[in-house]
Amino acid sequence: GENVEQHPSTLSVQEGDSAVIKCTYSDSASNYFPWYKQELGKRPQLIIDIRSNVGEKKDQRIAVTLNKTAKHFSLHITETQPEDSAVYFCAARAAAGGTSYGKLTFGQGTILTVHP
Amino acid sequence: DAGVTQSPTHLIKTRGQHVTLRCSPISGHKSVSWYQQVLGQGPQFIFQYYEKEERGRGNFPDRFSARQFPNYSSELNVNALLLGDSALYLCASSHLSESPLHFGNGTRLTVT
Repeated sequence: GENVEQHPSTLSVQEGDSAVIKCTYSDSASNYFPWYKQELGKRPQLIIDIRSNVGEKKDQRIAVTLNKTAKHFSLHITETQPEDSAVYFCAARAAAGGTSYGKLTFGQGTILTVHP
Repeated sequence: DAGVTQSPTHLIKTRGQHVTLRCSPISGHKSVSWYQQVLGQGPQFIFQYYEKEERGRGNFPDRFSARQFPNYSSELNVNALLLGDSALYLCASSHLSESPLHFGNGTRLTVT
């Protein structure tokens, strides 16, 4: 089955700096890669996603890059703000129709702390 | 628009008991998935239902079961509760089986 590794487990930056979180996946059939932000005691919220036919996607201060050959994808947050502090999860999903039926496999999470 | 709603928000049960968790998807969403999130870890896939049919099952014992109703709401049932079942149970809905998932606030289950 799919395995997703996420690094680093914790990341501490100063306000205004950039933050980068990296993930690798094992299943070459995976074609959808979302990123979720989870604040303490709250639900995971989708912040950005990318499909395997695209190499990069941006949404304001957030960008995601995908390298299908190397099977890794990264989240980039620029001009970080204290409210960006949360746990970030990457995930991977293969196309439905195979045995995975479209399930998400999550990484272990990265605790991001942005210091004012 | 209301998001994914789950009930109850918190639940305390004793080992060996049974629990039923409920989920209402976003209006118009036909796919519901269930995930278990143990403290400090990423969510783990339990089940996916699409159009009332089971479309996927994760690596969980048969004590876990689920179903989806004609209105697309869903129930997750766990029998013979173990201490290790203590976790946040998340429900997620999507419009189609492969659309982005939107999570509810979860049910915090504590087994004592």
